[in-house]
Amino acid sequence: GNSVTQMEGPVTLSEEAFLTINCTYTATGYPSLFWYVQYPGEGLQLLLKATKADDKGSNKGFEATYRKETTSFHLEKGSVQVSDSAVYFCALTYQTGANNLFFGTGTRLTVIP
Amino acid sequence: ETGVTQTPRHLVMGMTNKKSLKCEQHLGHNAMYWYKQSAKKPLELMFVYSLEERVENNSVPSRFSPECPNSSHLFLHLHTLQPEDSALYLCASSHDRGQTYEQYFGPGTRLTVT
Repeated sequence: GNSVTQMEGPVTLSEEAFLTINCTYTATGYPSLFWYVQYPGEGLQLLLKATKADDKGSNKGFEATYRKETTSFHLEKGSVQVSDSAVYFCALTYQTGANNLFFGTGTRLTVIP
Repeated sequence: ETGVTQTPRHLVMGMTNKKSLKCEQHLGHNAMYWYKQSAKKPLELMFVYSLEERVENNSVPSRFSPECPNSSHLFLHLHTLQPEDSALYLCASSHDRGQTYEQYFGPGTRLTVT
């Protein structure tokens, strides 16, 4: 079946620290991969995506590379800010009709000044 | 308005009440979704509509009843809910065909059942 596993949280970092949130997936075929972010009191927002192997998604200083050989899509940022404090969700979907997302459980990030 | 909107943002209801949640998308999508987000649990897909037809119902209790009158609007009708139904209910939309498969989410309705 299809599933996404992401690192347990919570993660607490100091401002300007390097961030990695691990995500691995199980799927047949070639899914598209996403990172969503949920700020306090809000819904989920698409942060970045990659639709094929070796693609790198990037946005707002965050990056993730689609690694088919390790079935991974780790999220990284070189220097986090307090405003990055949120819950981050890794997800996959297939390029078929009536698609739906398979989400990881989410990782809460808190950045302290 | 742009994006995906949801109303109300907050709702408190008793177990015998009947209420409805509304979702509207302004993105030209033709698939819409209801999710339930509970504390310390993964996001749960409840219903999927594609081209206004329900295509998936993940064994959701019948006290939740979805309605999709057109591709821009989605409702979730609620009746005789239980306290464990208290959660954040998220609506999302996406294209159903083509190369763009990401879902766009609304801000959610925070539901409390007393």
